[in-house]
Amino acid sequence: KAGVTQTPRYLIKTRGQQVTLSCSPISGHRSVSWYQQTPGQGLQFLFEYFSETQRNKGNFPGRFSGRQFSNSRSEMNVSTLELGDSALYLCASSQQGQVANTEAFFGQGTRLTVV
Amino acid sequence: GQNIDQPTEMTATEGAIVQINCTYQTSGFNGLFWYQQHAGEAPTFLSYNVLDGLEEKGRFSSFLSRSKGYSYLLLKELQMKDSASYLCAVINGQNFVFGPGTRLSVLP
Repeated sequence: KAGVTQTPRYLIKTRGQQVTLSCSPISGHRSVSWYQQTPGQGLQFLFEYFSETQRNKGNFPGRFSGRQFSNSRSEMNVSTLELGDSALYLCASSQQGQVANTEAFFGQGTRLTVV
Repeated sequence: GQNIDQPTEMTATEGAIVQINCTYQTSGFNGLFWYQQHAGEAPTFLSYNVLDGLEEKGRFSSFLSRSKGYSYLLLKELQMKDSASYLCAVINGQNFVFGPGTRLSVLP
């Protein structure tokens, strides 16, 4: 079956702009989690969506938001981009999500560069 | 608070055995995962421990001691393709908390 698909793979934006990233989970998976990965901070949890509802949220400012659609596809939005937002953004899908301790499958990520 | 520690880098020789340690202090614990991530690629699942003891899967084994807040990943018969970052992640009941990752270099 198809894996987790993230689009776009690469993105360059300027400070102050906003950006929307997309994640299509594995068919049948209802949970989508988003992570930011930087060389200095490692993988940091942004938020998790399950059945169109945000179930968990990490410690990121309100500029980072997301949503999930009825087909489980999820989008992440970052407004008023800052240079420090440059990172690899990964999404992970799983059947029941983190509360059920099930394995998460990661997408290839979107490499965002803010200039 | 949430804190997971791993060594930053390790080097080993092809054919050898290497142990990557992970210590954690989290507000809750519902299990520990190990992921492998090659440069420029997505993390891939290696193992899951929720009870104390050793889980073996081919050349990879993972150990957990909940009382000590400690886990290790053991890689046997190292191959060049094992050069990657290894991420330890704890589920604390609310979300995954990832360690900084250990970059393993396998030398010929």
